[in-house]
Amino acid sequence: QQPVQSPQAVILREGEDAVINCSSSKALYSVHWYRQKHGEAPVFLMILLKGGEQKGHDKISASFNEKKQQSSLYLTASQLSYSGTYFCGTERDKLIFGTGTRLQVFP
Amino acid sequence: DVKVTQSSRYLVKRTGEKVFLECVQDMDHENMFWYRQDPGLGLRLIYFSYDVKMKEKGDIPEGYSVSREKKERFSLILESASTNQTSMYLCASRSQPNNSPLHFGNGTRLTVT
Repeated sequence: QQPVQSPQAVILREGEDAVINCSSSKALYSVHWYRQKHGEAPVFLMILLKGGEQKGHDKISASFNEKKQQSSLYLTASQLSYSGTYFCGTERDKLIFGTGTRLQVFP
Repeated sequence: DVKVTQSSRYLVKRTGEKVFLECVQDMDHENMFWYRQDPGLGLRLIYFSYDVKMKEKGDIPEGYSVSREKKERFSLILESASTNQTSMYLCASRSQPNNSPLHFGNGTRLTVT
């Protein structure tokens, strides 16, 4: 069963913050986050392993709550380049993705 | 830089045809994957392979098969194409261990008429 992402879409002004959530019904080994721009391949952002770690990459960070099987992606002070569709991928016995969250950042 | 190459960017086939989608990676990755992407449905896993001659079913394997005779190449086969297989197909690869990132190809947009 695919992980559930929320919200389905987000509209932001430059400089605003956003949170994208991802939850699974199964215990997970890891959570992946990718961003896909229109007409392009998904691009890797980060991987979080079980253990409740939090990772950061510039102004984008993520957390993984292993007990709740949930992960959140935090985008801080959004930039125009953050626009795209964000996918979480969850892995236990196979790596499957959610339905995506479309994020649009306007000037 | 890792390169994952899908043989065709656009493909148009007729219903009932046998279709081959080819994917080649140049980084000696053990793991390879095939996903299909449809609006509102995200990326759905069709098949994956953890090593040469190995294959595992994903969430939507019906109507598809795969072949991995060489480490660098992972082929997706539509035995008898149907219109509901019209989609964007994405191939991806990664190295071991399983906490490595996926590298995606640019996709093949398949239209079955």
